[in-house]
Amino acid sequence: NAGVTQTPKFRVLKTGQSMTLLCAQDMNHEYMYWYRQDPGMGLRLIHYSVGEGTTAKGEVPDGYNVSRLKKQNFLLGLESAAPSQTSVYFCASSPGGVLKLYNEQFFGPGTRLTVL
Amino acid sequence: KNQVEQSPQSLIILEGKNCTLQCNYTVSPFSNLRWYKQDTGRGPVSLTIMTFSENTKSNGRYTATLDADTKQSSLHITASQLSDSASYICVVSRSNDYKLSFGAGTTVTVRA
Repeated sequence: NAGVTQTPKFRVLKTGQSMTLLCAQDMNHEYMYWYRQDPGMGLRLIHYSVGEGTTAKGEVPDGYNVSRLKKQNFLLGLESAAPSQTSVYFCASSPGGVLKLYNEQFFGPGTRLTVL
Repeated sequence: KNQVEQSPQSLIILEGKNCTLQCNYTVSPFSNLRWYKQDTGRGPVSLTIMTFSENTKSNGRYTATLDADTKQSSLHITASQLSDSASYICVVSRSNDYKLSFGAGTTVTVRA
């Protein structure tokens, strides 16, 4: 049981390049999330999904797109990377359901992205 | 303005000593508060969760307290170990949705 995995672990992009970050979970969780973590700041929600085929904007969605074609996968895309998107990106998942407000979010190990 | 404020930003303690981390929040309506531990290069992992009616919760050497009236929480680490070196993040959930508000974290360094 791997939990939440993220690919890749590290990536360096040039301004304007595009890339996709992959998140996978094997816990059959309904909800999935993408966060970014910057020094001195709390994690900020980029986009989230409450089920297969659904996505919604979080706190800082600009410059990112997401897709949830399969329940176990949540993809984060950067169409035209900017230096301001240099950050550590975390994916998380939670069970959802009637107790969703108490659900623990399980986090992946993170992807460190640098945009030059 | 961040709705979850943590203090101190960082602290260094000697192995075997105790320490207390603080969290003040303005998130409303309140559902629950979690403390997460984040080791360097890893994702956060939940330590404790407290709802409105709970004022203390323990997980081994970690004890969390909650005062819902003053909107304050603390995390006490007893008899610290080198493995306690990490960032500790206070996370508050609202009762009207499933989104979380994260504090910036307190970085704890335990020295031998």
